[in-house]
Amino acid sequence: KNEVEQSPQNLTAQEGEFITINCSYSVGISALHWLQQHPGGGIVSLFMLSSGKKKHGRLIATINIQEKHSSLHITASHPRDSAVYICAVSPYNTDKLIFGTGTRLQVFP
Amino acid sequence: KAGVTQTPRYLIKTRGQQVTLSCSPISGHRSVSWYQQTPGQGLQFLFEYFSETQRNKGNFPGRFSGRQFSNSRSEMNVSTLELGDSALYLCASSLNRRGWAVNLEFFGPGTRLTVL
Repeated sequence: KNEVEQSPQNLTAQEGEFITINCSYSVGISALHWLQQHPGGGIVSLFMLSSGKKKHGRLIATINIQEKHSSLHITASHPRDSAVYICAVSPYNTDKLIFGTGTRLQVFP
Repeated sequence: KAGVTQTPRYLIKTRGQQVTLSCSPISGHRSVSWYQQTPGQGLQFLFEYFSETQRNKGNFPGRFSGRQFSNSRSEMNVSTLELGDSALYLCASSLNRRGWAVNLEFFGPGTRLTVL
């Protein structure tokens, strides 16, 4: 079993829909990251969380440390949100990142 | 500030050859990390350099090596290439990788390596 699991693996949506991507992990962590990767490879760091909730524009990320679970929400989705969204965790006392396998999101007009 | 740059962007090699990839971090960033991304395994951490020293290493064979220069630029080398080494190789830079609560990583566009 992977230490970081994401669901769903693939997601399609119509423009305007509310989207949720989930991430569960099995190790103790000091931080969790949500990353966005567009076709072509470039990765953008969206959020880094250690507790609670963060919001940036139409993106909201939440984390529940006790349940070892995080969600990434996209409100009013747009075709430009089409990308792979990757969850990554930083385990306690390490400088390494453990990545989920990503969620491929396609938003259609 | 200019972003993280990686060269070359695309590379085709044959089995048994070796390859060197280059990463120039954001100015002022002293930590450079390397990652391998394949469709089957996703992103996997290779190693991290800080001030010319390898600080962390992932679970990759010794054919994968790297180094960092005094200007923080980093290279990674893969010797005796295998078909399974075909992947997107990403580097990321940060001010100081220690202390995740305050650090952010900035990723380069990647080098896509194809081994034939």
